[in-house]
Amino acid sequence: AQKVTQAQTEISVVEKEDVTLDCVYETRDTTYYLFWYKQPPSGELVFLIRRNSFDEQNEISGRYSWNFQKSTSSFNFTITASQVVDSAVYFCALNRFQGAQKLVFGQGTRLTINP
Amino acid sequence: DTEVTQTPKHLVMGMTNKKSLKCEQHMGHRAMYWYKQKAKKPPELMFVYSYEKLSINESVPSRFSPECPNSSLLNLHLHALQPEDSALYLCASSPPGIRGDCTFGSGTRLTVV
Repeated sequence: AQKVTQAQTEISVVEKEDVTLDCVYETRDTTYYLFWYKQPPSGELVFLIRRNSFDEQNEISGRYSWNFQKSTSSFNFTITASQVVDSAVYFCALNRFQGAQKLVFGQGTRLTINP
Repeated sequence: DTEVTQTPKHLVMGMTNKKSLKCEQHMGHRAMYWYKQKAKKPPELMFVYSYEKLSINESVPSRFSPECPNSSLLNLHLHALQPEDSALYLCASSPPGIRGDCTFGSGTRLTVV
């Protein structure tokens, strides 16, 4: 069975602090994709990153960075120098492709950045 | 145009009503999805259409009836819903293939009274 665990339910930090959101996954598939989505109060899920199971290279995009470690089944997300606009719920998701994308989401981490 | 548009944004309906949620995309995506998201929970997949054919039904009750009239439109017909069906209903679309990333709409916030 596929499962995604985000152990941190809520995180609150002061602006400009760095923050890391944890994600641990379980799957028996050898080929899979991992995602991070951001859900602001407006409701839409905003795609942040996709990583496939064969690419363990870490990625940096501006203030965002992702650390994928297959050995520990983790795909963690770090925001550097956080800003109030980063406040949202962040979901980690695992994909099983069955003719179309079938995303399994973690429970989400509610991130609050205080000014 | 990189949007998935959902209407209405908010809907209040009685348990005996019939209503429909609409979703539209013009990105040429050939897969479209309905997700249900209860408060403070993650989205859960309900239905997937691939090339206008229903490919995945996650054992959703028959009071929810999806329809894909063409490659750009996806509807969710609602009938005899229960208060526990109150949730945010999200539509998404993706290009074909395993690398196709889902683009989500802003959702319809449904309240059943």
